Amino acid sequence: DAGVIQSPRHEVTEMGQEVTLRCKPISGHNSLFWYRQTMMRGLELLIYFNNNVPIDDSGMPEDRFSAKMPNASFSTLKIQPSEPRDSAVYFCASSSRGSGNEQFFGPGTRLTVL
Amino acid sequence: AQSVSQHNHHVILSEAASLELGCNYSYGGTVNLFWYVQYPGQHLQLLLKYFSGDPLVKGIKGFEAEFIKSKFSFNLRKPSVQWSDTAEYFCAVNVGGVNTGFQKLVFGTGTRLLVSP
Repeated sequence: DAGVIQSPRHEVTEMGQEVTLRCKPISGHNSLFWYRQTMMRGLELLIYFNNNVPIDDSGMPEDRFSAKMPNASFSTLKIQPSEPRDSAVYFCASSSRGSGNEQFFGPGTRLTVL
Repeated sequence: AQSVSQHNHHVILSEAASLELGCNYSYGGTVNLFWYVQYPGQHLQLLLKYFSGDPLVKGIKGFEAEFIKSKFSFNLRKPSVQWSDTAEYFCAVNVGGVNTGFQKLVFGTGTRLLVSP
């Protein structure tokens, strides 16, 4: 298996622009998680899906952030409009009951908002 | 709410020194416990996990952890660290047990380990 796939790996954009991050979970996994990691705040859970349905989005910082999971093999995290304080590494992870809920992380997207 | 505490935020050791990183969680029910490692510039990778059975769990790269239910602890240990162990280590708890649908992990704040050669 290729593992969790994220794209792009690096994104540099200007303040006010829309940013879309993409994630493909491991095939057969039914839960998907979006995290944000910064030096100041550490690792934060933004939102997670179970069977394509958002279960907990309490970690989404504000309305500028939105996430979708249209099918079992694809999810997006969108920031519109982006701000410099959104600069971070965004990780996607997936898991299943069959794996004992162990989460498998993708390589991350390093976002820089100028 | 469930929480995970890692009291050591930064640890500096010399090669061959022994390592113990503390992890305590607050939840009285069935738990699954994990230690993840994040090498510089990389993503989180699983070091070891505990679901049930023997409370002493062996992981990759010589790491082990002991689940002590009475102390709500899951400390990570390694008898002799190497320079390549320099990384950030995260403890995580999945509450509810393997057979529930509750798959969210609660992560600790991480411990940065620096091993000097």
